[in-house]
Amino acid sequence: AQRVTQPEKLLSVFKGAPVELKCNYSYSGSPELFWYVQYSRQRLQLLLRHISRESIKGFTADLNKGETSFHLKKPFAQEEDSAMYYCALHSGAGSYQLTFGKGTKLSVIP
Amino acid sequence: ETGVTQSPTHLIKTRGQQVTLRCSSQSGHNTVSWYQQALGQGPQFIFQYYREEENGRGNFPPRFSGLQFPNYSSELNVNALELDDSALYLCASSLGASGLYSGTQYFGPGTRLLVL
Repeated sequence: AQRVTQPEKLLSVFKGAPVELKCNYSYSGSPELFWYVQYSRQRLQLLLRHISRESIKGFTADLNKGETSFHLKKPFAQEEDSAMYYCALHSGAGSYQLTFGKGTKLSVIP
Repeated sequence: ETGVTQSPTHLIKTRGQQVTLRCSSQSGHNTVSWYQQALGQGPQFIFQYYREEENGRGNFPPRFSGLQFPNYSSELNVNALELDDSALYLCASSLGASGLYSGTQYFGPGTRLLVL
């Protein structure tokens, strides 16, 4: 069975400080990992996916298969980054299911 | 390009009743997935429809059922409602049913269901 764990329910950082949102997964194959974000009063939307190796809004995430982690990082937090962040796992070709973690609420203090 | 829409936005039902939730997929998308999001939890996969067929199902009882129509819109039906069914129900559309495209999903605003 696949599982996604986000150990922090709430993370508070000061504006300009580095941010790291933790995500660990459990899956025996080669997963595809995603970060979804939900800003206040907005719908859930894709932030980034590991296969694209892209940086969106200054956020990056590296898939570490040895540690089964996909932590989300940003060097300097901005107030507009305050949101709910969900890590999600897709088990790849032939699969259909997206498995989400419980989410971490990021609060950036001005 | 039209985004994913869901109706109704809010709904109140009593235990034992039946409910139908509706979803219109994003233009060009042929796959719809439904999720249940309880308070304080991440979305939990209910099932997926691809080209009008159920393509996969999460750990939900048979009283959760669905349909997909030729225009790729979809319905989620829940029979014999229980108090624990109170949640936000999310619909998401994607360009394909498996692989990379399926993981990139576009979500609707959700329908909040309260069962009394």
